[in-house]
Amino acid sequence: QQPVQSPQAVILREGEDAVINCSSSKALYSVHWYRQKHGEAPVFLMILLKGGEQKGHDKISASFNEKKQQSSLYLTASQLSYSGTYFCVDGGSNYKLTFGKGTLLTVNP
Amino acid sequence: DTGVSQDPRHKITKRGQNVTFRCDPISEHNRLYWYRQTLGQGPEFLTYFQNEAQLEKSRLLSDRFSAERPKGSFSTLEIQHTEQGDSAMYLCASSPGKRGTGELFFGEGSRLTVL
Repeated sequence: QQPVQSPQAVILREGEDAVINCSSSKALYSVHWYRQKHGEAPVFLMILLKGGEQKGHDKISASFNEKKQQSSLYLTASQLSYSGTYFCVDGGSNYKLTFGKGTLLTVNP
Repeated sequence: DTGVSQDPRHKITKRGQNVTFRCDPISEHNRLYWYRQTLGQGPEFLTYFQNEAQLEKSRLLSDRFSAERPKGSFSTLEIQHTEQGDSAMYLCASSPGKRGTGELFFGEGSRLTVL
């Protein structure tokens, strides 16, 4: 089952913050986050495995709620290079990774 | 480490023709995935291999699609009797198969256009 992302699109000015949400009707084994820039392949950002986990590097971080049904990706002090489509991915207990429909993030100067 | 490579990068074919895509994963990665992506959508799972074994195939895949990974190295994805609805980007990804990392390394993709 495909995880549901919101919002579908967001437009920011450089330096602003954004939150992208991901939800599932069932507990996820793990949640992954990927970013895809226009015309390029998706690139892995991070994986969260445990309920209640928070993880991040630089100004991009993510959380996974206790029930493992919701995850959020936090982008702070956005940079132009953050522009792209962000995908939440259901990690799957059987190694089958199911991508959400994506959230298009546009950062303007 | 040269990354995941896919060939061809672009393929234009006429409806009804057969096409084959090749994927060379990162060496020593034992998991290999095929995804299909259309404009504005997320990658859609097609199938995946652990070494040479095909462990799961999407129910969305018709019998016209077949994938192989002989000897657990490169993989091929063949589409027989192509239809216009098959037009998409076909992405290959590999993974070292360690549960904790979970990272998929994607190739640049093979874009198929069916006329």
